[in-house]
Amino acid sequence: SQQGEEDPQALSIQEGENATMNCSYKTSINNLQWYRQNSGRGLVHLILIRSNEREKHSGRLRVTLDTSKKSSSLLITASRAADTASYFCATGLRGGSEKLVFGKGTKLTVNP
Amino acid sequence: DAGVTQSPTHLIKTRGQQVTLRCSPKSGHDTVSWYQQALGQGPQFIFQYYEEEERQRGNFPDRFSGHQFPNYSSELNVNALLLGDSALYLCASSLIWAFSYEQYFGPGTRLTVT
Repeated sequence: SQQGEEDPQALSIQEGENATMNCSYKTSINNLQWYRQNSGRGLVHLILIRSNEREKHSGRLRVTLDTSKKSSSLLITASRAADTASYFCATGLRGGSEKLVFGKGTKLTVNP
Repeated sequence: DAGVTQSPTHLIKTRGQQVTLRCSPKSGHDTVSWYQQALGQGPQFIFQYYEEEERQRGNFPDRFSGHQFPNYSSELNVNALLLGDSALYLCASSLIWAFSYEQYFGPGTRLTVT
């Protein structure tokens, strides 16, 4: 079963706009990670936020985590056509190399 | 420094057959995890290997088995293939005691069962 649920399932925006994706999960977590997947190929790690953190930035990415609501959001600012991909949140239930539990993903299309 | 590699890239098998998928972890990594991703879904954890032992297992039947070799590479075996086994199989490697929890994924093997 899937731990997380991303929202929306699909998002289409114009280049230069911001894209926001949300993730909700069910159980207590150690960390939450966001991954990108291009055209059904391998996943690329974007950013990790630990359960005791509320916000994290990496380049054009901003991630927030609200453990009381069991939710996270990923904001991509000034989007580019190259950001077109599927984005997944994954929760780590314990530290170290524990298994990741993924949501179903948000398919983002950035139109030039 | 090679990343995670998987072979083959694509595979077509018939129901009832057996398949073996291979994964070489990123240099320096000692843990390999396998995930199954059905079309339109997120990856689902199959199992994880460390020190040549299955360390954790997801909700997959015994038809799915694996192995890890002394050089940390790994194989995923699926017996008695079903149509529902058609999916992208992803391998991820990590360092078990590393501070970073990041897993590095390979490009995947696309398995089609007819």
